[in-house]
Amino acid sequence: ETTVTQSPAFMSATPGDTVSISCKASQDIDDDMNWYQQKPGEAAIFIIQEATTLVPGIPPRFSGSGYGTDFTLTINNIESDDAAYYFCLQHDILPYTFGQGTKLEIK
Amino acid sequence: EKRLVESGGDLVQPGGSLRLSCAASGFSFSYYAMNWVRQAPGKGREWVSSIIASGSSTHYLDSVKGRFTISRDNSQNTLYLQMTNLRVEDSAIYYCAKGDSDFWSGFDLWGRGTQVVVSS
Repeated sequence: ETTVTQSPAFMSATPGDTVSISCKASQDIDDDMNWYQQKPGEAAIFIIQEATTLVPGIPPRFSGSGYGTDFTLTINNIESDDAAYYFCLQHDILPYTFGQGTKLEIK
Repeated sequence: EKRLVESGGDLVQPGGSLRLSCAASGFSFSYYAMNWVRQAPGKGREWVSSIIASGSSTHYLDSVKGRFTISRDNSQNTLYLQMTNLRVEDSAIYYCAKGDSDFWSGFDLWGRGTQVVVSS
C-alpha cells in the first residue's frame, strides 16, 4: 500500500498570506496526485488534478507542484473563503490512499 | 449541475447489514467509474471500493473484501454499496465519488456523504 503523509494537520493564516500543504507518497506515483477542498456541510471540491493542473473554475490563487513522491498545494494571497479542510489523494496504485488532511483557519 | 447524493446510512448493530445508494445526476453516469470512500471520526479518508463504468470489474479494500459489494445500475444512474457482517470499525461517513474516466482513475466529483454507525 502507498502511504501518503500530509502536513501540517492544522494551520492558521491571515488574509493575503501564502501557505503550502505537503503530501509525501511512500513510493513513486508519477503525477497521480489530486487535491480537494471541503467546507463543513458541503461536498468536497476538486481543485488540482495530476499534481499541477488547476481544475477549471478554481481561482488561480491555487497551484500544485511536485512529481514522484513529493507534492505541494500552494494558496497565494489567501482569502477568508479559503478556510476549509484540504486533502490529497494518490490514484496511481490501488488501494488509492489519502493524506490525513489539513484544516486551514483564516484569522 | 453534476451531483451525487448518498443515502441509506443508519445505526446498525455489529453483524448487521446495510445498503448504501448514491444517486447521480447532471452527467452521463454509465461512462464513468465510481467509488466509495469513508471517513471515520478524527481520521483521514479511506478508499473502500471502486467499479468501472461497465460494472464488469471491481476492487475492494482488503478489510471489506467478502463483506461489502459494490454495484451499479446504469439505467437508474445509481451506485450501491451492500455492506454485510458490519463491524464497529466500519463506522464512518461514507462518500460516493465519481471517477474521471471509465476505468480506474482519480475522483472529480464527491457527494456530501451518509453516516453509518455500527454499535450495540
